Amino acid sequence: AQSVSQHNHHVILSEAASLELGCNYSYGGTVNLFWYVQYPGQHLQLLLKYFSGDPLVKGIKGFEAEFIKSKFSFNLRKPSVQWSDTAEYFCAVNAGTGGFKTIFGAGTRLFVKA
Amino acid sequence: DAGVIQSPRHEVTEMGQEVTLRCKPISGHNSLFWYRQTMMRGLELLIYFNNNVPIDDSGMPEDRFSAKMPNASFSTLKIQPSEPRDSAVYFCASSSMGSYTDTQYFGPGTRLTVL
Repeated sequence: AQSVSQHNHHVILSEAASLELGCNYSYGGTVNLFWYVQYPGQHLQLLLKYFSGDPLVKGIKGFEAEFIKSKFSFNLRKPSVQWSDTAEYFCAVNAGTGGFKTIFGAGTRLFVKA
Repeated sequence: DAGVIQSPRHEVTEMGQEVTLRCKPISGHNSLFWYRQTMMRGLELLIYFNNNVPIDDSGMPEDRFSAKMPNASFSTLKIQPSEPRDSAVYFCASSSMGSYTDTQYFGPGTRLTVL
């Protein structure tokens, strides 16, 4: 069965610090990978996704993620965070070829100090 | 497009009452998902439908929970009877199957409080 593991439940950073949120998945086949973000009081929205091609994916608001197949990882990065990046971040995976079920990680709460 | 629409946005009810949450997916999407989000358990998939048919309801916590999708533009999640531990935010999401990218579009959620 597929599973997604996010290593950090809570992260606190100061503005301008660099961010890396870990995500590992377990599934042996082709996968589609996602990062969703949930800002305080809002619903989840897509940050970026990977389904083929360049393993370094760039998303909105300066975020990027790198798919490393050999490590079953899809870590999220941002070189310099802002206070407005305070949110909860969810890594998600589904089986390739448009599998029905997307599995979400437990989420990482990021708090950026101004 | 209006996006995924959920109603009500907030629901406060007493233990033992029936609660019905509603969702209208994005037009043209043929997959629909119900999630529950709590501080303790995070985001949990309860059930998902494809072409109005329930595909996997293994996440439904117990028999008090039921979900239906009578047509492509409407789904309900019902809790009967409700209990305080059901208090959570319930999200509905839809996606367009046949696409490898399979992005899910989430609604604003229904915040349920059971007293």
